[in-house]
Amino acid sequence: DIQMTQSPSSLSASVGDGVAITCRASQSVSTYVNWYQQKPGKAPTLLIYGASNLHTGVPSRFRGSGSGTDFTLSISSLQPDDFATYYCQQSDSVPQTFGQGTRLEIK
Amino acid sequence: EVQVVESGGGFVQPGGSLRLSCAASGFTFSRYTMVWVRQAPGKGLEWVSYISSGSTTASYTDSLKGRFTISRDNTQNSLYLQMNSLRDEDTAVYYCARASWDLSSKFYLDFWGLGTLVTVSS
Repeated sequence: DIQMTQSPSSLSASVGDGVAITCRASQSVSTYVNWYQQKPGKAPTLLIYGASNLHTGVPSRFRGSGSGTDFTLSISSLQPDDFATYYCQQSDSVPQTFGQGTRLEIK
Repeated sequence: EVQVVESGGGFVQPGGSLRLSCAASGFTFSRYTMVWVRQAPGKGLEWVSYISSGSTTASYTDSLKGRFTISRDNTQNSLYLQMNSLRDEDTAVYYCARASWDLSSKFYLDFWGLGTLVTVSS
């Protein structure tokens, strides 16, 4: 199975800050990485697919980049609604494993 | 409006069985691959299983093979997960999700249900 390792596991930031979350795959997955946001008690929602494609309705302050084994989710100018847990997922091969999650908290 | 709604969760003793259902609406169900993902309390997301649009292909995470069976009924717009020989570690919220396909990403999960909680305990 392909392992997806996210860093950091948790992150504190203030409204208006920019942050970056990284995800490393244990082997190359081309651009087959998706990013999801999950708020407490809620289902995950899709943010980015194919490493860099913004899902419909997702604000442009979210940006995805990377290919091969290294991927980044960047959020510019954090809004109060952005404080949540973020997961990467590889869709290159089954099982389509998720990273362990990055919890973004308000400083 | 696209919707997927899970049901069938509940409390079961170790060794028992449950069948989860997922009712889909607002899209042509028969054209989409569907996926089950679970989340143990306080833990991250775990991909469980997928089934192709015509049920020709299904796959499972290794630890579940032989105990869980995914199926679908395209005439009823429904997805199922039969769970047998349940263990304490299967306790989780189980999400049903629609998988869309794109050349740049292969599959991505663009619509999720609210989940159904399965508790395995003696």
